[in-house]
Amino acid sequence: GESVGLHLPTLSVQEGDNSIINCAYSNSASDYFIWYKQESGKGPQFIIDIRSNMDKRQGQRVTVLLNKTVKHLSLQIAATQPGDSAVYFCAENGEDDKIIFGKGTRLHILP
Amino acid sequence: GAGVSQSPRYKVAKRGQDVALRCDPISGHVSLFWYQQALGQGPEFLTYFQNEAQLDKSGLPSDRFFAERPEGSVSTLKIQRTQQEDSAVYLCASSPSGANTGELFFGEGSRLTVL
Repeated sequence: GESVGLHLPTLSVQEGDNSIINCAYSNSASDYFIWYKQESGKGPQFIIDIRSNMDKRQGQRVTVLLNKTVKHLSLQIAATQPGDSAVYFCAENGEDDKIIFGKGTRLHILP
Repeated sequence: GAGVSQSPRYKVAKRGQDVALRCDPISGHVSLFWYQQALGQGPEFLTYFQNEAQLDKSGLPSDRFFAERPEGSVSTLKIQRTQQEDSAVYLCASSPSGANTGELFFGEGSRLTVL
């Protein structure tokens, strides 16, 4: 399939290492945040979400951290695998509760 | 199938042609969303339906864009008099509940290229 994003910031991580993908959001009124994964030629896939009354939430191999003071969101992926190669988007519920996506980060796994 | 289905997957149109993109959401999902994704960008919101009601169309870029979901299931996004700047992937997503849940189930998208 065609590449989703040719000019995105790229994070290169050795297979087996942990990955940390960062995101800054703009709307201080947002109270719900989501991380999506998008593989080439496919639609975004939900990974994990967090509400603003929490600062950390864990899933299977993934952790989302929320710092409302500096409006920063991060996604940590433990023991990164080749299948984790994708573009990762953070999203927030914007005005009128529309889900607004950020610009994305490409995760590249080094063998 | 069990997921969101979009057709056509690829569409090439000459500038000025009209196009129609179809979305079959997951059966029983109440909410349906259309997004536009330009190359190298995140998805941009276009419009949102709850059942057959179009509750938000604030993201539609111009009056050449029109979406409908007449029976609260299948939706069609129509673009009239296509322009080169309309070239993008058009993503459809559905959700079992209301707009403020982030777990949207996306289709694979329809890639539109306007020559």
